Amino acid sequence: DTEVTQTPKHLVMGMTNKKSLKCEQHMGHRAMYWYKQKAKKPPELMFVYSYEKLSINESVPSRFSPECPNSSLLNLHLHALQPEDSALYLCASSPEMPGDTQYFGPGTRLTVL
Amino acid sequence: SQQGEEDPQALSIQEGENATMNCSYKTSINNLQWYRQNSGRGLVHLILIRSNEREKHSGRLRVTLDTSKKSSSLLITASRAADTASYFCATDEGAQKLVFGQGTRLTINP
Repeated sequence: DTEVTQTPKHLVMGMTNKKSLKCEQHMGHRAMYWYKQKAKKPPELMFVYSYEKLSINESVPSRFSPECPNSSLLNLHLHALQPEDSALYLCASSPEMPGDTQYFGPGTRLTVL
Repeated sequence: SQQGEEDPQALSIQEGENATMNCSYKTSINNLQWYRQNSGRGLVHLILIRSNEREKHSGRLRVTLDTSKKSSSLLITASRAADTASYFCATDEGAQKLVFGQGTRLTINP
């Protein structure tokens, strides 16, 4: 199984809502990532988890809260988002190091009203 | 930080022609990777070339790496409509993270 799954595919939320994005992989990978991608731009790294510990936070606002419950799951909790946070949120995993080949999920298209 | 810069930003060719896109980067790397992204979807890994390699092939893809010029190129031969996508190079920055270039939007016309 070389697949990274993400749910939901689409999410519309108001600025006062709380929601969560979920990501799952069963490849035994020990590194997992959240990226944010705006239209016609490259993915921008948000968070890196290595062996279930947060290793990189790219100065992401606290309204985004990552969580890694176990080695296969990665969540991104969203609260009090702004319209400019609307984007495609991509999850990825790699065997061990960020420089390894990364496997991406299909993304969650988030719209904040 | 934006490690990789790509050229051209957009490329439109006829089916069957070859497509070449280039990537430049700024710091030393362990490897350079190329990814493809169909519209609004996740990225798909195409090929990884290590810093001690100069050329690598995978099917219709040919990647070159010139570490002295800090540049790489991706050649897609005999293009097909299904190759229409955005292509990103990515470099490992201090082995801590991947940094993606701005991307090349490739359109293959039938």
